[in-house]
Amino acid sequence: AQRVTQPEKLLSVFKGAPVELKCNYSYSGSPELFWYVQYSRQRLQLLLRHISRESIKGFTADLNKGETSFHLKKPFAQEEDSAMYYCALDNFGNEKLTFGTGTRLTIIP
Amino acid sequence: SAVISQKPSRDICQRGTSLTIQCQVDSQVTMMFWYRQQPGQSLTLIATANQGSEATYESGFVIDKFPISRPNLTFSTLTVSNMSPEDSSIYLCSVTATGGELFFGEGSRLTVL
Repeated sequence: AQRVTQPEKLLSVFKGAPVELKCNYSYSGSPELFWYVQYSRQRLQLLLRHISRESIKGFTADLNKGETSFHLKKPFAQEEDSAMYYCALDNFGNEKLTFGTGTRLTIIP
Repeated sequence: SAVISQKPSRDICQRGTSLTIQCQVDSQVTMMFWYRQQPGQSLTLIATANQGSEATYESGFVIDKFPISRPNLTFSTLTVSNMSPEDSSIYLCSVTATGGELFFGEGSRLTVL
């Protein structure tokens, strides 16, 4: 069965420090992975997806098939990065997502 | 992109009653989904709302408890039937737009007393 694990429920980082939100997955096929973000009082929205290999708001995520990981990274945290972050896996490319439990990131000024 | 409106945004209901949540999209979309987010937990897919046919339910969810309608390509409803306190959750409508990105509504927060 597909599973997405985000080991940290809460993460606090000082402004300007590097950020890494961990995500591991279990999946038998060729996964498609996403990071979704929910800012305070806003709806859940896509942050980035691994197939586009782009940087959004300074965040990047590399799919590591050997370690089955898709960690989200940013070299210098900003206060506006405070939000809830969810890692998600697309099941067999059918657009049905399996979500991790989420990590609440707080940036300390 | 797709703009999704959900109603109601929140409601408090009595045990044993039913509540219907509406999802309206500003454009025609092929795929519409209903997710549930129980307190302190992640999002779980309930079902895919299919236009013109019965919804496709995920394991652990059944039509009698969560009947879904999809009369056209821009609208769907999810009913939570015979509610119990365990049904207290945020229910989210989502759609896939061109390019495969999944868009979410703001959610309907349901509290069952």
